[in-house]
Amino acid sequence: NAGVTQTPKFQVLKTGQSMTLQCAQDMNHNSMYWYRQDPGMGLRLIYYSASEGTTDKGEVPNGYNVSRLNKREFSLRLESAAPSQTSVYFCASSEDGAPYGYTFGSGTRLTVV
Amino acid sequence: AQSVAQPEDQVNVAEGNPLTVKCTYSVSGNPYLFWYVQYPNRGLQFLLKYITGDNLVKGSYGFEAEFNKSQTSFHLKKPSALVSDSALYFCAVSPDSNYQLIWGAGTKLIIKP
Repeated sequence: NAGVTQTPKFQVLKTGQSMTLQCAQDMNHNSMYWYRQDPGMGLRLIYYSASEGTTDKGEVPNGYNVSRLNKREFSLRLESAAPSQTSVYFCASSEDGAPYGYTFGSGTRLTVV
Repeated sequence: AQSVAQPEDQVNVAEGNPLTVKCTYSVSGNPYLFWYVQYPNRGLQFLLKYITGDNLVKGSYGFEAEFNKSQTSFHLKKPSALVSDSALYFCAVSPDSNYQLIWGAGTKLIIKP
């Protein structure tokens, strides 16, 4: 019953440092997503992967890269962290797009100082 | 531009009273509509969805939502609020099955004993 697992849960970075947020799902879902959540702004899509081997930019992709390593795993990389990237990051997956709804991970709270 | 509006940042309701959390949308076509709930320091959880059929859909924890095509609304309702319903509620819409979810900014629901 793991669903979507994100690691780490918390992270503090210094400006300019890099890190990778990990996400894995065990539901055999085709689609995976990375969102950031900021107060008063809801969820904003960073990148998504409609299927293994494909990735596409979302609403706010600048400063991020992603890798769909296999069907289970979808990682988000910050190459040079900036304070504006301080946020809570959520990974989600869905069976095959919007009609099936999304399953979310518990989030990574990232602070860039 | 396609969008989702949750006009109230916060809704306060006394325990035992009915509650409504509002959502209106502006998307083309026949939309897929969703409500998610987020408890503190947790990921989002699926509550209910409307794809087609009866305009009143029932979901988890006694919640229901009414789809009104003419008013382009999908308000979340519950007949009798519980303190445990206090959380952040998100409305999300997709214009078709191949599109990403478009998210509202969220409404904080506070149920007072």
